Amino acid sequence: IQLTQSPSLLSASVGDRVTLSCKGSQNINNYLAWYQQKLGEAPKLLIYNTNSLQTGIPSRFSGSGSGTDYTLTISSLQPEDVATYFCYQYNNGLTFGSGTKLEIK
Amino acid sequence: EVQLVESGGGLVQPGRSLKLSCAASGFTFSNYYMAWVRQAPKKGLEWVATISTSGSRTYYPDSVKGRFTISRDNAKSSLYLQMNSLKSEDTATYYCARRAYYDGYYPYWGQGVMVTVSS
Repeated sequence: IQLTQSPSLLSASVGDRVTLSCKGSQNINNYLAWYQQKLGEAPKLLIYNTNSLQTGIPSRFSGSGSGTDYTLTISSLQPEDVATYFCYQYNNGLTFGSGTKLEIK
Repeated sequence: EVQLVESGGGLVQPGRSLKLSCAASGFTFSNYYMAWVRQAPKKGLEWVATISTSGSRTYYPDSVKGRFTISRDNAKSSLYLQMNSLKSEDTATYYCARRAYYDGYYPYWGQGVMVTVSS
């Protein structure tokens, strides 16, 4: 299964509601996770099984979707959210999206 | 606290071999599937290998199948990646990761180790 993330680069202001998209080439059956990777760090799990928030992750992060289309939403962008975000599917094999780089405007 | 610490990276010539290690602590190692994931410089993430709890089942993508071997020593709480016939495109940071107990996502990652394949 191939994952396509959009946009590849997103610039937004502090406090904005931000939406990142991940589209699969086949049905992912909700086996979709989101990772945040800051510069020079390992990826950090944010969301698993489409909409389950990993322990310790702020509630401004949320996930949704079904079938082939999934979304990560940040309800109010904070400066510390600057990072690259990857989606990841584990329904059929294991694949990562190419990432969305999120910047502060 | 779950900790995963990779080691064994470095500079290696094309066609040569290298073995990575990952020391795990803070959880019962033998209960969890483990994996290696890599990231080429300024690129995305690529799954490299997964191993079952006992080590009896291993999984690889086509890009490394036949060249890389994942293994584990549950008595030592350690994960390994033997990389043979290395190519320049194997240059990347390699991460050790622990899978969730029931599902196929990975909540815990090491800090990564750099492998550079160059003459």
